[in-house]
Amino acid sequence: GAVVSQHPSWVICKSGTSVKIECRSLDFQATTMFWYRQFPKQSLMLMATSNEGSKATYEQGVEKDKFLINHASLTLSTLTVTSAHPEDSSFYICSAISGKHYNEQFFGPGTRLTVL
Amino acid sequence: KQEVTQIPAALSVPEGENLVLNCSFTDSAIYNLQWFRQDPGKGLTSLLLIQSSQREQTSGRLNASLDKSSGRSTLYIAASQPGDSATYLCVRGSEKLVFGKGTKLTVNP
Repeated sequence: GAVVSQHPSWVICKSGTSVKIECRSLDFQATTMFWYRQFPKQSLMLMATSNEGSKATYEQGVEKDKFLINHASLTLSTLTVTSAHPEDSSFYICSAISGKHYNEQFFGPGTRLTVL
Repeated sequence: KQEVTQIPAALSVPEGENLVLNCSFTDSAIYNLQWFRQDPGKGLTSLLLIQSSQREQTSGRLNASLDKSSGRSTLYIAASQPGDSATYLCVRGSEKLVFGKGTKLTVNP
């Protein structure tokens, strides 16, 4: 139990386009999901906290108009990188909290975004 | 600001060796401590979660300890195997997680 999936696993796009990444909790309901970003040889950094049915909470320095987060259901959160630029190229990972597992966070496999 | 530091940044050992990975954190607040492994280009696999009220957890060849007073945690891997080669991440927090940069472990056959 407590499986989180992400789609796509990798994506290459042209500069200026928008990219949507999906995060799904497959076998549990997640009222809270998190989005992280990891640059090469760096630690994961929390970008935003996504709560079902409400606006996401962004960490300092993360542009909310550039990284649009939608948490429309208890099993799905999406991150849309708008007008992507090469500096947005990174590894994006989501996680979801499972109430069934003592509020432990479970992580998706990540999405590698490359912006040309 | 919470910080999590992991030492060493990289470690290479021969197969069969017992090893210890170290993690230190700056705050003594009541948070969980979790160890993950990350394989290249992949997501995170949770290894051990130490609740804030606990001192250690064990799973197979892995043992993790938490000393809140000194702000340290250690991950002990017994009888290392080539399949243990990965980056090991120490993570502090309950909801908002703070990640260390990891220790890249290579176990040579």
